[in-house]
Amino acid sequence: QKEVEQNSGPLSVPEGAIASLNCTYSDRVSQSFFWYRQYSGKSPELIMSIYSNGDKEDGRFTAQLNKASQYVSLLIRDSQPSDSATYLCAVNLRSGNTGKLIFGQGTTLQVKP
Amino acid sequence: GAVVSQHPSWVICKSGTSVKIECRSLDFQATTMFWYRQFPKQSLMLMATSNEGSKATYEQGVEKDKFLINHASLTLSTLTVTSAHPEDSSFYICSAIDQFSNQPQHFGDGTRLSIL
Repeated sequence: QKEVEQNSGPLSVPEGAIASLNCTYSDRVSQSFFWYRQYSGKSPELIMSIYSNGDKEDGRFTAQLNKASQYVSLLIRDSQPSDSATYLCAVNLRSGNTGKLIFGQGTTLQVKP
Repeated sequence: GAVVSQHPSWVICKSGTSVKIECRSLDFQATTMFWYRQFPKQSLMLMATSNEGSKATYEQGVEKDKFLINHASLTLSTLTVTSAHPEDSSFYICSAIDQFSNQPQHFGDGTRLSIL
């Protein structure tokens, strides 16, 4: 079992719809969770971080964490073509941000105009 | 926000050449830097973790004598790919954190290495 798993996609949604990206992780001691966006040929860009159970909203993005189910998700409301990218879920075993990140394989999102 | 600069952004060189990649934190002290490698259509794979002033910690399967990492100051880490071969062609990305600020990792722009 991979440490961090994502559906590689592609996930295709129409412009204006909600895109839902999912991620599961295997290690129960994982403490902090991140979503990065990566455009083709570019390095990852931090979108959201979440550390406790529940929802965290930032603009059109909402991260959801359920540690009991070892599940973290990212919702993108009012999806735009510019949101088309690969979204990487990353997990940090330690509390805070001092430890190394384990990345999922990424989900490719396509937002169609 | 935190800025990490990586140089060069693109390198093409002959097989057997050694290539040095620099990673700089521009507006914070990077106590820890991470080096990743990403092959096409794959995710980021951590190669090594470097802490300022100490030896790097390499992930399993990464040859420390081939991928030399130096983190001599709080703003600069370098990765040298020694005697590079075509199979070393990849996208190399660094990230940096200040352990005392509790900020997430910020990535450099990456270096695309092509070995002919």
